[in-house]
Amino acid sequence: GQQLNQSPQSMFIQEGEDVSMNCTSSSIFNTWLWYKQDPGEGPVLLIALYKAGELTSNGRLTAQFGITRKDSFLNISASIPSDVGIYFCAGQVGPSGSRLTFGEGTQLTVNP
Amino acid sequence: DTAVSQTPKYLVTQMGNDKSIKCEQNLGHDTMYWYKQDSKKFLKIMFSYNNKELIINETVPNRFSPKSPDKAHLNLHINSLELGDSAVYFCASSRDRFYEQYFGPGTRLTVT
Repeated sequence: GQQLNQSPQSMFIQEGEDVSMNCTSSSIFNTWLWYKQDPGEGPVLLIALYKAGELTSNGRLTAQFGITRKDSFLNISASIPSDVGIYFCAGQVGPSGSRLTFGEGTQLTVNP
Repeated sequence: DTAVSQTPKYLVTQMGNDKSIKCEQNLGHDTMYWYKQDSKKFLKIMFSYNNKELIINETVPNRFSPKSPDKAHLNLHINSLELGDSAVYFCASSRDRFYEQYFGPGTRLTVT
């Protein structure tokens, strides 16, 4: 089945630093999604990408849909302590189905 | 207003018991899902319903049975609970099968 490789698995940064994480796949996706999960909560959608090459921002977050459709990255600029959490990428093939394939997650720790 | 809600938030039970988790969404979405998140935080889809019709049924033991009484509700019933069923179960919904998914807060199931 489809697999997503997400890296890095964990990051420890200082407040104010920029962060970058990415996901790669062996197969093509038509949609890439980025979620954030806080402890004890469900994943919250951050950014959705629908076109190859698309670059989308949401505040300090920027994500891109790779031109090959096999990768995506998420950047967080000027990190703050509330950015702490697990970030997941997810790919969806569509239109033939709604199955989301998730990456393994990136655990982000921000030191004040 | 809670968009996707689940009950209960925590469920502790003994092996062999039967239990249910309920999910409701007030977003007017057509498609609903159940995911399982293991101890390593990996998210894997279990089931998906579109307009009350089962469209995704992953390789899940038949002790797990989803039921969708209407578009706004998707329940998960688990028979003969086993230790390995301990996990966090997330419900999610999307406008239809091709759109981004929104997650509930999760139900932490502990089987002793």
